[in-house]
Amino acid sequence: EIVLTQSPDILSLSPGERATLSCRANQNVSSSYLAWYQQKGGQAPRLLIYSASSRATGIPDRFSGSGSGTEFTLTISRLEPEDFAVYYCQQYGSSPIYSFGQGTKLEIK
Amino acid sequence: QVQLVESGGGLVKPGGSLRLSCAASGFTFSDSYMTWIRQGPGKGLEWISYISGSSTYTRYADSVKGRFTVSRDNSKNSLYLQINSLRAEDTAMYYCARVGLWFVLDVWGQGTTVTVSS
Repeated sequence: EIVLTQSPDILSLSPGERATLSCRANQNVSSSYLAWYQQKGGQAPRLLIYSASSRATGIPDRFSGSGSGTEFTLTISRLEPEDFAVYYCQQYGSSPIYSFGQGTKLEIK
Repeated sequence: QVQLVESGGGLVKPGGSLRLSCAASGFTFSDSYMTWIRQGPGKGLEWISYISGSSTYTRYADSVKGRFTVSRDNSKNSLYLQINSLRAEDTAMYYCARVGLWFVLDVWGQGTTVTVSS
């Protein structure tokens, strides 16, 4: 079973700063099947990044993804007020078909 | 536009049943794999079920296997989740989501809330 662990659990930063969120898998994950989602309070998640590094439609270029194997990173280059939310990494593969990290809450410092 | 709208949630006693629905519009529903994802109060996302476009393939998380059944009616552009033998730990917001390229979940509904309590 693939388990995704995100760090940190909570990240406190100010608008304009750079955010780096980590997602670590307990076994190799195909980069093709690693995605990141953003969830704001009371809303459904929204796809940000797919295939580890490709931005979904309409996602600003301040969001970028990188990584391979067991280590993946979501970077937000300059935080805007609307970026403060919870972020989840997710993989598609073997059982379970989909697994999510526990989430990183990005909060305003 | 591409849209998913869930319905059917509510307050149910332990051991009860519910049928959730997800109405799709704006895309060719029959061509799309679909999933159900849930999120407990204050918790993270949990994948629970998956169905292919023709209903040939279905898969479930171990936590719901044998109690939940996913189905679809492509003539009605609708996805369903029959949930039986409900437990307190099934209390959650239930989302349907479309499976897109690279198996990402590219379209989500707004969710429907299931509360299991006596």
